[in-house]
Amino acid sequence: DTGVSQNPRHKITKRGQNVTFRCDPISEHNRLYWYRQTLGQGPEFLTYFQNEAQLEKSRLLSDRFSAERPKGSFSTLEIQRTEQGDSAMYLCASSLRGERGTEAFFGQGTRLTVV
Amino acid sequence: SQQGEEDPQALSIQEGENATMNCSYKTSINNLQWYRQNSGRGLVHLILIRSNEREKHSGRLRVTLDTSKKSSSLLITASRAADTASYFCATDAGETSGSRLTFGEGTQLTVNP
Repeated sequence: DTGVSQNPRHKITKRGQNVTFRCDPISEHNRLYWYRQTLGQGPEFLTYFQNEAQLEKSRLLSDRFSAERPKGSFSTLEIQRTEQGDSAMYLCASSLRGERGTEAFFGQGTRLTVV
Repeated sequence: SQQGEEDPQALSIQEGENATMNCSYKTSINNLQWYRQNSGRGLVHLILIRSNEREKHSGRLRVTLDTSKKSSSLLITASRAADTASYFCATDAGETSGSRLTFGEGTQLTVNP
């Protein structure tokens, strides 16, 4: 257990439905990241927060995706009007901001299947 | 897009043997990290090597970094069946990119008992 919690662990949804995932990072970590991983590939960066501010979004994050981190604590990732191509593992990670870089702690992920 | 490229893509060895995985990347980095992922699970951090370091050890793990060649290697000595997993290298380009990680496609390691 890395201390980062993601819910739900699995989600099956019909195409066109909206889904929301939650991530609870390690409490003292000010950085929170979302990544997406498809089968046989490495994780790809989606977006990140420093405290409550969303500082960068990948081009992978279409306008159907939105992420929030109210009060700089937990974060949610919502996908509207899901498509089959959204099927993937969604990973959350947290870390402490530092000039020299620090390790990121990952949650167990939410596996989304769009049918 | 994926910056790192691991090789080999898959590696199968016998318990007790050493396993070496390589990673190449394209841009300047602040540090490089190696992660392990068991099937269908999250990633577990193994080791971080900074751009001014050339070699680092942690238990049975040895990581090297050659910034002139933009490459790194991960050596697992005296492998065990429990080491079976996917291994990913990830580069951190520093604060200008928010220290986000860019992952390679991974090496699938199978250690046969």
